[in-house]
Amino acid sequence: GAGVSQSPRYKVAKRGQDVALRCDPISGHVSLFWYQQALGQGPEFLTYFQNEAQLDKSGLPSDRFFAERPEGSVSTLKIQRTQQEDSAVYLCASSKYGWANEKLFFGSGTQLSVL
Amino acid sequence: QQQVKQSPQSLIVQKGGISIINCAYENTAFDYFPWYQQFPGKGPALLIAIRPDVSEKKEGRFTISFNKSAKQFSLHIMDSQPGDSATYFCAASSSGSRLTFGEGTQLTVNP
Repeated sequence: GAGVSQSPRYKVAKRGQDVALRCDPISGHVSLFWYQQALGQGPEFLTYFQNEAQLDKSGLPSDRFFAERPEGSVSTLKIQRTQQEDSAVYLCASSKYGWANEKLFFGSGTQLSVL
Repeated sequence: QQQVKQSPQSLIVQKGGISIINCAYENTAFDYFPWYQQFPGKGPALLIAIRPDVSEKKEGRFTISFNKSAKQFSLHIMDSQPGDSATYFCAASSSGSRLTFGEGTQLTVNP
């Protein structure tokens, strides 16, 4: 596809369940970012990959959050033992080269609701 | 830690009017200031961006004004249209760092 694709579009989880969110970046884009967007707020940085290397994971809120990009393309954000405070939209973005000082292309996000 | 403060939280303008959204930052190391536009159910999309070596950048109806000494920058939307109704986010980053977003401004342009 032409843009960043995220799946599922919506995810409802019971508290304590594990979830996995998928991101397909634009083909050939080196950089991949995950952001968390709470209702009515701006996106908050979670983690950054350059190819398969996770260069910054300082934004992950707890050790229940884990992200990977094993082949430098598709990425998965996993949340273990989900809590109600994890409810948010999880956005994935990619960029052609490195780091943030260039145009980020965002997907439409996965809306996670933890009951 | 909120490093980019955005105002107003919401804004209503009439069609044809000027929309102005303001942002202030604290980190003097920031050297890239983009504005993103987000429609409901969609991810943010880059609208326009500026670097601190210029005080103004214009692209069509959208203008960024940048005041380095005051650590402030603003987005001006001229001839606002109903299709501009969206949430706008300012953001900032420094070389080698993540993009930090403001809290967002919900713009409504009445026909």
